[in-house]
Amino acid sequence: AQKVTQAQTEISVVEKEDVTLDCVYETRDTTYYLFWYKQPPSGELVFLIRRNSFDEQNEISGRYSWNFQKSTSSFNFTITASQVVDSAVYFCALSEDSGAGSYQLTFGKGTKLSVIP
Amino acid sequence: EPEVTQTPSHQVTQMGQEVILRCVPISNHLYFYWYRQILGQKVEFLVSFYNNEISEKSEIFDDQFSVERPDGSNFTLKIRSTKLEDSAMYFCASTDTSYGYTFGSGTRLTVV
Repeated sequence: AQKVTQAQTEISVVEKEDVTLDCVYETRDTTYYLFWYKQPPSGELVFLIRRNSFDEQNEISGRYSWNFQKSTSSFNFTITASQVVDSAVYFCALSEDSGAGSYQLTFGKGTKLSVIP
Repeated sequence: EPEVTQTPSHQVTQMGQEVILRCVPISNHLYFYWYRQILGQKVEFLVSFYNNEISEKSEIFDDQFSVERPDGSNFTLKIRSTKLEDSAMYFCASTDTSYGYTFGSGTRLTVV
């Protein structure tokens, strides 16, 4: 069974600080996908990134960066120079073939990030 | 950019009533999904749908729930007799062959 753990329930940082959100996953599959979503107070799920299990390259997109390490089953997310608009709940999710052909997502419990001005 | 559209954005219903949540997935996507998020909790898988039938469902998806693709564009989730604990945000999603997930903006269901 797949599992996603986001150990940090809530994090508060002062604006312009860097912050890293941790995600650890468990899966028996060799082929899987990892995702990060942002959920602002308005409630929608905003897609941030998808990574497949064969691509361990770290990725940077503006102030966002992701560190994928298969050796530790982790897919951590770093926001550099945080801004108030980054305040949201962030979810890490894992997708693998269920065997029925669909790729359902298993979400972590989320990390609530508050950026204080 | 193509979107998954959900209607209504917010629905209030009385306990015991039937509700239908509607979704229009992206047209060339193959798999369709419903997820649920109870307030303050994580997002949970309900059901996946492919080729006009359920391909997988979770333990949450009991006999009170059903899904349907009544025409070529809509994908619906029906709850037959709502309970207070059905109050949640319901998300529709669809995926293409490269398993790119697109979520709708959600329907907030409040059962009173």
